[in-house]
Parts: sequence; structure tokens; C-alpha cells
Amino acid sequence: QKEVEQDPGPLSVPEGAIVSLNCTYSNSAFQYFMWYRQYSRKGPELLMYTYSSGNKEDGRFTAQVDKSSKYISLFIRDSQPSDSATYLCAMMVQGAQKLVFGQGTRLTINP
Amino acid sequence: SQTIHQWPATLVQPVGSPLSLECTVEGTSNPNLYWYRQAAGRGLQLLFYSVGIGQISSEVPQNLSASRPQDRQFILSSKKLLLSDSGFYLCAWSVWGNSNQPQHFGDGTRLSIL
Repeated sequence: QKEVEQDPGPLSVPEGAIVSLNCTYSNSAFQYFMWYRQYSRKGPELLMYTYSSGNKEDGRFTAQVDKSSKYISLFIRDSQPSDSATYLCAMMVQGAQKLVFGQGTRLTINP
Repeated sequence: SQTIHQWPATLVQPVGSPLSLECTVEGTSNPNLYWYRQAAGRGLQLLFYSVGIGQISSEVPQNLSASRPQDRQFILSSKKLLLSDSGFYLCAWSVWGNSNQPQHFGDGTRLSIL
């Protein structure tokens, strides 16, 4: 079993829809959780960074962490064609240097 | 603001040839530096990280090595490339002194081995 599981998709939704992206994990020691957006042939770009459980909102993006269920989510409101990219979840144990990534979900927003 | 540069963007090399990929960071001092590899349709795999000049930690035993000759310079090398070394190589940095800061990535080098 992988430490971090993420549905690779592809996921295709119409413009303006609410998008929900999810990851599950098995290591209860993970305490830091990140979402990255990666456009084709580019490096990942940090979108959200959260510590422990709870919600964090930044513009149209909301990150949720449920440590009791070992489940994290990224919600995108009012999705735009420019949101079309691969979204990677990543997480880290306290004091570690290593980020553990999910496989990434390829998202397409259709105009 | 901080920026990270990687070059070249694309590289095609024959099997058995040497490799040198370079990464530099601007706008910060003493960054933690990282090399990742991303295979097609897969997540990122950490290869090496460095918390200071000359300090290299290897995560995956393989055909590659890393060096940090200067504070903000990180180099990925190989003496003889294998077909399995093909992939997208990404350099990243984070703030020194706090290992739980997020990592920030460059735009990568796409390496093809023929």
C-alpha cells in the first residue's frame, strides 16, 4: 500500500463548477499537508500549506485536513479553464526533510 | 523575492554518457535544497537533499550523485547514464532551519536517454 493515495483521474468538469480533489494517507505521523498545482512541462507550484487538522481558505481555494480519517481535500470554487492542470497532494512528518507526494490528479475545466 | 533556476530545460543523452544538471537559488541564504525525479504519470520521488555546503543526504541508492559546491548551487550528476534515468528532474528549495517549511520548485529538466 502506498503511503499517499490520490486518484489520477482524469477529471473533467464545466467552467464554474466546484471541484473536489482528495488524498488519503496511511501514516498517522504526517502533520504538514500541501497542495501543488503543476502545469504541463512545468514544476509544481505551491497552492496551499496547512498544519494538522482544519480548514484553510485562500481565494477560490479551500484546503481541508481530517487527521482522524487520514483524508485531505482541496476545493476549487468557480473553476476556470486556467485551473486545468495536475494537482499533487504532499505531506510531511514533523522534523523530516522528505515530502511524500500523491500521484497527482489531472484536472480539465471545460469552457 | 526568491527565484530558482534550473538548466537545461530539455536534454537528450546517449546511454553511458555523463550527466550534469545545475540548480541555483536567488534571494535567500542557506536554503535547504532538494533533487526530485518525476516519472510519467507518477508522483515525485526525492533523490537527494542538502542542508548546507558539502552536506548531501541520499534517499534512493542509484546511478546518480549530488553535490553542493556553493551555498545556493546544487548539482545532480552521473558518470554513466542508464535508460532508466530518463525522467523529469526537479530542484526545490525551502527555508533553512525549519524542516517543515514548504518546498518551492523550479521548472525542471526533461531528460531523455537514447
